[in-house]
Amino acid sequence: SAVISQKPSRDICQRGTSLTIQCQVDSQVTMMFWYRQQPGQSLTLIATANQGSEATYESGFVIDKFPISRPNLTFSTLTVSNMSPEDSSIYLCSVFYTDTQYFGPGTRLTVL
Amino acid sequence: AQRVTQPEKLLSVFKGAPVELKCNYSYSGSPELFWYVQYSRQRLQLLLRHISRESIKGFTADLNKGETSFHLKKPFAQEEDSAMYYCALSGGSNYKLTFGKGTLLTVNP
Repeated sequence: SAVISQKPSRDICQRGTSLTIQCQVDSQVTMMFWYRQQPGQSLTLIATANQGSEATYESGFVIDKFPISRPNLTFSTLTVSNMSPEDSSIYLCSVFYTDTQYFGPGTRLTVL
Repeated sequence: AQRVTQPEKLLSVFKGAPVELKCNYSYSGSPELFWYVQYSRQRLQLLLRHISRESIKGFTADLNKGETSFHLKKPFAQEEDSAMYYCALSGGSNYKLTFGKGTLLTVNP
């Protein structure tokens, strides 16, 4: 299995600021994903982050708002930029490893 | 476009009763279907996938392509089954998951 950790686990931020979420995996993985879960909603894929290439964003998500880094096979960051209260969500990192998708514990973000 | 529908937001049963969590999907090709579970204060984890055709913790799910359904069933619910259950679909080889909105199962003593 792959064990994923995320930092921070939660944060409360002011609108207009940015927050960077870190995702660390204990195994080398090619495919990493970032999901968002808004209150009362399902998980929605933000982007796919493969090492050595630009992240691929889903419809409705743009790089300027959610820049992603993937410097190596065990680490990725997601930045939520110029935050507004609508960005209040749980953000989850996920990896595909040995034919299974594993999820991190999530980062609970509240924007005031 | 791919879509996953879980019509029940909440489902409450008594211990020992059968339980069925419904999932319907929309996808033009051959999908892979999954059930994920999230117990209280734990992370999301894979429960089972249709390819494996296995029973996990007494749960089974059969892919019905005619009805485009992948319902999760257990003949005798246990209190420890109380959790949030998500049905998910993956199309092709991109491994991206589309999730339903989830069903919160409560098993009462």
